[in-house]
Amino acid sequence: QVQLVESGGGVVQPGTSLRLACAASGFSLSGYPIHWVRQAPGKGLEWVAFQSYEGRNKFYADSVKGRFTISIDRSTFYLNMNNMRAEDTAVYYCAREPGGRRFFDYWGQGILVTVSS
Amino acid sequence: DIQLTQSPSFLSASVGDRVTITCRASQGISSNLAWYQQEPGKAPELLIYAASALQSGVPSRFSGSGSGTDFTLTISGLQPEDFATYYCQQLDMYPLTFGPGTKVDIK
Repeated sequence: QVQLVESGGGVVQPGTSLRLACAASGFSLSGYPIHWVRQAPGKGLEWVAFQSYEGRNKFYADSVKGRFTISIDRSTFYLNMNNMRAEDTAVYYCAREPGGRRFFDYWGQGILVTVSS
Repeated sequence: DIQLTQSPSFLSASVGDRVTITCRASQGISSNLAWYQQEPGKAPELLIYAASALQSGVPSRFSGSGSGTDFTLTISGLQPEDFATYYCQQLDMYPLTFGPGTKVDIK
């Protein structure tokens, strides 16, 4: 069955870096781009980034542009987060998009990232 | 960026009630809208896409309608498992954006 499993979360200090991973299984990656969506504590959902499987298309939210990059290695998608800020504190989800539809039919369980000194 | 507003932000209802949630876009987005349900501590789950298409496995008491700038999610006959927060999301252009959410609580 379709599975998305995030890992790599934790507590980091402002200005430092962290890499999240999303291991995907149970489906053909080429037809299903992966997005990252985050949710600050007690807040709503915020779309963060997207990469198509072949890497041709990448989009980022303005709030993370220039600091976060998305990459893929085989069946694992990564969110590389640099120069982290307190406002990046959130639960980060990876989510699957049925190709070209821009909605998310499967989500990972989420991973907490806390940026604090 | 396309802004989404939802109303109400909070509603209190009873089991069996018919509930309607509204989502309004800051510009026309055709039928490019999805709805999600999120229970506390869990990932969101897709309910509706393309404004009115029911995701596989979602109960038929959920329905969506609308196009352009105004959309609605209706729950016909609220069940105990439906008490959750509901979000709309526009699919029209990047950056993809979500509404602020509507929390449905037990009266």
